[in-house]
Amino acid sequence: DAGVIQSPRHEVTEMGQEVTLRCKPISGHDYLFWYRQTMMRGLELLIYFNNNVPIDDSGMPEDRFSAKMPNASFSTLKIQPSEPRDSAVYFCASRSYNEQFFGPGTRLTVL
Amino acid sequence: AQSVTQLGSHVSVSEGALVLLRCNYSSSVPPYLFWYVQYPNQGLQLLLKYTSAATLVKGINGFEAEFKKSETSFHLTKPSAHMSDAAEYFCAVSGSGNQFYFGTGTSLTVIP
Repeated sequence: DAGVIQSPRHEVTEMGQEVTLRCKPISGHDYLFWYRQTMMRGLELLIYFNNNVPIDDSGMPEDRFSAKMPNASFSTLKIQPSEPRDSAVYFCASRSYNEQFFGPGTRLTVL
Repeated sequence: AQSVTQLGSHVSVSEGALVLLRCNYSSSVPPYLFWYVQYPNQGLQLLLKYTSAATLVKGINGFEAEFKKSETSFHLTKPSAHMSDAAEYFCAVSGSGNQFYFGTGTSLTVIP
């Protein structure tokens, strides 16, 4: 298996633009998690899905953030409009029986 | 509720010296405990996990951790540090829920 796949690996955009981050979980994993990592706040859970259904989105910072999982093999995290304080590394992870597997992350820079 | 506390955000050791990274957990149910490692510009990789079997857990790259219920601890150790061990290390706990709760991380520096 190729592991959790995230795209793009790097994204540089200007304030106000829409940003879409993509994730392909490991096949057969029924949980998917989105995290954000910054120096100031460390690793934060934003939202997680079980069988494509959002279970807990209490970590989503604002209405500017939204996440979808239209099928078992694909999820998106969208920020609209983006702001400089959204600059961070965003990780996707999928879970198989008490172990989370992380993707390589997307480094987002909002100018 | 579950949480973990990692003592020491930065740890420096000499090459060949013992590595000890501390993690204490809080859990209202029997916990599952994990150590993850993050190398620069990479995602988190599982080092080892405790899932209520043996209290001494061996992981990859020569690391091990011991679950001590009486101390609510799950410290990570390696007898002899290697330069390639320099990375960020995260302790995490998962209980009866589906979430993992991560600590704030410990940055390990290995001095040649």
